Amino acid sequence: QVQLVQSGAEVKKPGASVKVSCKASGYPFTNYHLHWVREAPGQGLQWLGMIRPGGGRPIYAQKFHGTVTITGDASTSTVYMEVNSLRSEDTAVYYCARDVQSGTSPGYDFDYWGQGTLVTVSS
Amino acid sequence: DIQLTQSPSSLSASVGDRVTLTCRASETISNYLNWYHQKPGEAPKLLIYTAFHLQSGVPSRFTGSGHGTDFGLTITSLQPEDFGTFFCQQSYSTPPTFGRGTKVEIK
Repeated sequence: QVQLVQSGAEVKKPGASVKVSCKASGYPFTNYHLHWVREAPGQGLQWLGMIRPGGGRPIYAQKFHGTVTITGDASTSTVYMEVNSLRSEDTAVYYCARDVQSGTSPGYDFDYWGQGTLVTVSS
Repeated sequence: DIQLTQSPSSLSASVGDRVTLTCRASETISNYLNWYHQKPGEAPKLLIYTAFHLQSGVPSRFTGSGHGTDFGLTITSLQPEDFGTFFCQQSYSTPPTFGRGTKVEIK
């Protein structure tokens, strides 16, 4: 069955970086876009960006362009999301989520989600 | 970005009740509207995609409706496991955006 397993919780100081992983299994990894969504207190769910591990460059929400980097490793079926220059407002649960559609064009509908990774930014 | 406004923000209902949640988009999104259910401490779960299509494995008591800017999610007979927060999400344009959610409590 489809599974997305994320790395564990992180505590970081302001200005630091954090890298969260999402390991996929149970489906052809390179055929589906993987997205990153975060849930921050008082900010609701926010889409950060996506990547299709089979090719193509990552796409980012304008708000997070320059502070978020998404990469993929097809050899390990893993996608990574790195946030730089962390601020307290980046404290959130970060989720990876698979796109419903396979192929080169994403549908931006999310059918499978990772368990979430809590990132806490505190001095 | 397209804004999604959900109402009510919270509700309390009894098992067996018919419950309707609404989601209004700030501009027309055709039928590109999804609904998710999230229980505390868990990831969201896709219930309905493109306004009214039931995701595989989701009980038939969940029904989606709407087109354009106004959408609804109806639970025809509320069950104990339906507690949690329901979110709408538009996939019409990037970035995809989410509503702030309706929190459902079981009386």
